[in-house]
Amino acid sequence: AQTVTQSQPEMSVQEAETVTLSCTYDTSESDYYLFWYKQPPSRQMILVIRQEAYKQQNATENRFSVNFQKAAKSFSLKISDSQLGDAAMYFCAYLYNQGGKLIFGQGTELSVKP
Amino acid sequence: DAMVIQNPRYQVTQFGKPVTLSCSQTLNHNVMYWYQQKSSQAPKLLFHYYDKDFNNEADTPDNFQSRRPNTSFCFLDIRSPGLGDAAMYLCATSRDGGYEQFFGPGTRLTVL
Repeated sequence: AQTVTQSQPEMSVQEAETVTLSCTYDTSESDYYLFWYKQPPSRQMILVIRQEAYKQQNATENRFSVNFQKAAKSFSLKISDSQLGDAAMYFCAYLYNQGGKLIFGQGTELSVKP
Repeated sequence: DAMVIQNPRYQVTQFGKPVTLSCSQTLNHNVMYWYQQKSSQAPKLLFHYYDKDFNNEADTPDNFQSRRPNTSFCFLDIRSPGLGDAAMYLCATSRDGGYEQFFGPGTRLTVL
């Protein structure tokens, strides 16, 4: 069965600094998608960044980038120039087939210190 | 703006009293999902509709049912809520099960 593991329940970063959130996953599939979702307190979940497994190039979205290591089954999220608005719960998620379900990790709660 | 709407945002029910949660979407997506998210936990898929086809997760309790009368609306029915069903319920949509799911704001269910 596919699993997603986030080993950091909580992380903290100073405003304007860089932070990396870790995620590992387990699958026997070769074609899948990986995502980072952000869930601010009492607000809805939004997609931060996605990575297709067949793409070797790491995805980037403005201040957010990933380090995708397919062989190691690792998918970390780097947030550069952290802002107060980045404070949220971050979920790593795996989608193993079209129309299928997202499998989420346990989440990492990120706090940003001014 | 196209969006996923959930009503109500907060729902309080009594132990054993049936409750229905509502989700609507203006994205015209053909796939709709219901997730349960308990406090400080990851969302867990309960079931999803791919068009009119209902797909139930193996470990979803029989107490939970869903209806999708049309493309835009989907309902989550909890027949006899127990204390353990208190959670945030998230609705999400996608186009053809494509790689991005759009989430609603959730309904927080309290069971007294």
